Amino acid sequence: GAVVSQHPSWVICKSGTSVKIECRSLDFQATTMFWYRQFPKQSLMLMATSNEGSKATYEQGVEKDKFLINHASLTLSTLTVTSAHPEDSSFYICSAGRQRGPSYEQYFGPGTRLTVT
Amino acid sequence: AQTVTQSQPEMSVQEAETVTLSCTYDTSENNYYLFWYKQPPSRQMILVIRQEAYKQQNATENRFSVNFQKAAKSFSLKISDSQLGDTAMYFCAFTYTGGFKTIFGAGTRLFVKA
Repeated sequence: GAVVSQHPSWVICKSGTSVKIECRSLDFQATTMFWYRQFPKQSLMLMATSNEGSKATYEQGVEKDKFLINHASLTLSTLTVTSAHPEDSSFYICSAGRQRGPSYEQYFGPGTRLTVT
Repeated sequence: AQTVTQSQPEMSVQEAETVTLSCTYDTSENNYYLFWYKQPPSRQMILVIRQEAYKQQNATENRFSVNFQKAAKSFSLKISDSQLGDTAMYFCAFTYTGGFKTIFGAGTRLFVKA
């Protein structure tokens, strides 16, 4: 299957600083990528849909000014957590999907653990 | 809005036995995809099995099979000959064709006992 990478895998930052997380589709072009947040022992919560060349679509309750998403190319989407606070500490997962004939496949990155101190 | 419900927070099964994880969903869409994902302690999401809503035949992947009841909006996962490596969190997920957003259930933590 296709591969999606995320960088960094783990980051610690101080409160008030910004952190950027990269998501890359390594062997296919993804016009759409998705960002999820996962708290310990909980499910994945969709934060936003990242669209190449246009603005991201945020889910209800997600602050677009705090979680900046840029999808500058068909293989790269970035999530920037601005002015991070301890409550932003979480596991962030990106995914990229593609349609193959009548089927649809979604590939997940390995995730990024963010700790804000 | 689409919702996915997994009513079993935790389950356990003896090695080599069979276990069924339940999932129901709610949607007004007619075309969509359903998935079961496995999330081991590494937290990497792994696709277990997928089902296209237009297909009546239940999907099967080796020891994994689903019972897809479209009218009842039910999508259960059966794991046969359970192995210790099957121990993980399992998420049922719904992806609708308009935009391909995916909604996940709360998950079922499966323990396979030796």
